[in-house]
Amino acid sequence: AQSVTQLDSQVPVFEEAPVELRCNYSSSVSVYLFWYVQYPNQGLQLLLKYLSGSTLVESINGFEAEFNKSQTSFHLRKPSVHISDTAEYFCAVNYGGATNKLIFGTGTLLAVQP
Amino acid sequence: GAVVSQHPSWVICKSGTSVKIECRSLDFQATTMFWYRQFPKQSLMLMATSNEGSKATYEQGVEKDKFLINHASLTLSTLTVTSAHPEDSSFYICSARKDRGPRSNQPQHFGDGTRLSIL
Repeated sequence: AQSVTQLDSQVPVFEEAPVELRCNYSSSVSVYLFWYVQYPNQGLQLLLKYLSGSTLVESINGFEAEFNKSQTSFHLRKPSVHISDTAEYFCAVNYGGATNKLIFGTGTLLAVQP
Repeated sequence: GAVVSQHPSWVICKSGTSVKIECRSLDFQATTMFWYRQFPKQSLMLMATSNEGSKATYEQGVEKDKFLINHASLTLSTLTVTSAHPEDSSFYICSARKDRGPRSNQPQHFGDGTRLSIL
C-alpha cells in the first residue's frame, strides 16, 4: 500500500541549532514529493517540492530537502532554525496513476525553543 | 501566485443545520480541487476530489449525501455539510491544483481552512 511515514511526531530544538525532519515513502516508483508547513489554525503552505532533476531542492527561507531514491526518503533540513519556524510540517507524496492524489504523512511538530 | 481563499474561516451552528464552505482559486484556474478534514493534532484526511464540471469522487467511508460537493466553475468549489451534528465538528481544508491527469506534478495550493463547530 502507498504510504508516507514521518517517524517523529515532535522535534524540540533550540534556536539557531540545525534540524532534520524525516520522511520516508513506501514505493520506489516515480513519485512527486512535497513538504508543506502549517501554522496554528491555518491551512498548509507549500514549502518545497521535488518533481525531477536535481535531488536537492531548496526553499526561500533556508529549508532544503534531498530526494534519495534508494532509501525512499525526502528528509527536510535547516542548518539554523528560528523561533518563527515553529509549526507543523507535513511530507506528502503524489504517486500518480489512477488516484493522482497526495498521500500525507502524520506530520512533525517542530518546536523551536529560545 | 496560486492563492486559494476559503470562506468562512470559522463557523458555529446548531445541530441539524446545513453549512456551506466556499473554496476559491483567486489567480489561477483550478481544474481539480480537493476537500480534506483534519482532526486535532492529526494529518489531513482526503474526503473527496472534484474536477470542474463533473461529479466529485469520494473516498471510502465518506458519505456523499452528507458532504455535498459542487465544482461548477474553474475558480469555485463548495462543500455543504448537510444536517450537521456535533461529530461533524472539525477543521475542513480545501486545496486546488491547476491541471488534471494521471501524472499531474503540480502542487496543491491550500486554503486557510474552516473551523466548524456544531453545538
